[in-house]
Amino acid sequence: DADVTQTPRNRITKTGKRIMLECSQTKGHDRMYWYRQDPGLGLRLIYYSFDVKDINKGEISDGYSVSRQAQAKFSLSLESAIPNQTALYFCATSGTTTGQPQHFGDGTRLSIL
Amino acid sequence: SQQGEEDPQALSIQEGENATMNCSYKTSINNLQWYRQNSGRGLVHLILIRSNEREKHSGRLRVTLDTSKKSSSLLITASRAADTASYFCATAVISGTYKYIFGTGTRLKVLA
Repeated sequence: DADVTQTPRNRITKTGKRIMLECSQTKGHDRMYWYRQDPGLGLRLIYYSFDVKDINKGEISDGYSVSRQAQAKFSLSLESAIPNQTALYFCATSGTTTGQPQHFGDGTRLSIL
Repeated sequence: SQQGEEDPQALSIQEGENATMNCSYKTSINNLQWYRQNSGRGLVHLILIRSNEREKHSGRLRVTLDTSKKSSSLLITASRAADTASYFCATAVISGTYKYIFGTGTRLKVLA
């Protein structure tokens, strides 16, 4: 089984809909991250959480919100989806020491029509 | 703006050849990491080099870091078709809190 699991893997939806992407991990890591990947732009950080009570905005948090339901679960919501949020979304985890390698899920491909 | 930028954006080589890709960054870092992404999959960590290290090896991978030039290179020796993927550098930035900043990636194609 994968250490970092993202659901759904693919989603097509319409403008204005609310969408939730879910991430669960079995690595026992405290730190979790949500990234967005667009062609030619690499990965950009949306939100990150260092523990259940600690949530921080990344460089592109506008239009997104997150919830850390437990150490193992970190969900990303788009309250009212718009077409330019069409992208590949990744969840990642890491250990608590600064700069440790990140472990990624296989991503959610989201298309907003 | 992106902290890391990779060069070249795309690289095509024959199996058995070496592949070199470069990463430049802008600010002081704690460490620099390289990741591989196969098509349709998440990123996989390959190697980490700390700011006080100049070179590191792992199997067929060799990473160098030049903090004076704010640059790093990843060398894959004796490449194989299975090395076909995108490669990203990520810098762990020194600051009061965490920050990893990813580059735009190099798409490597190894021809059999």
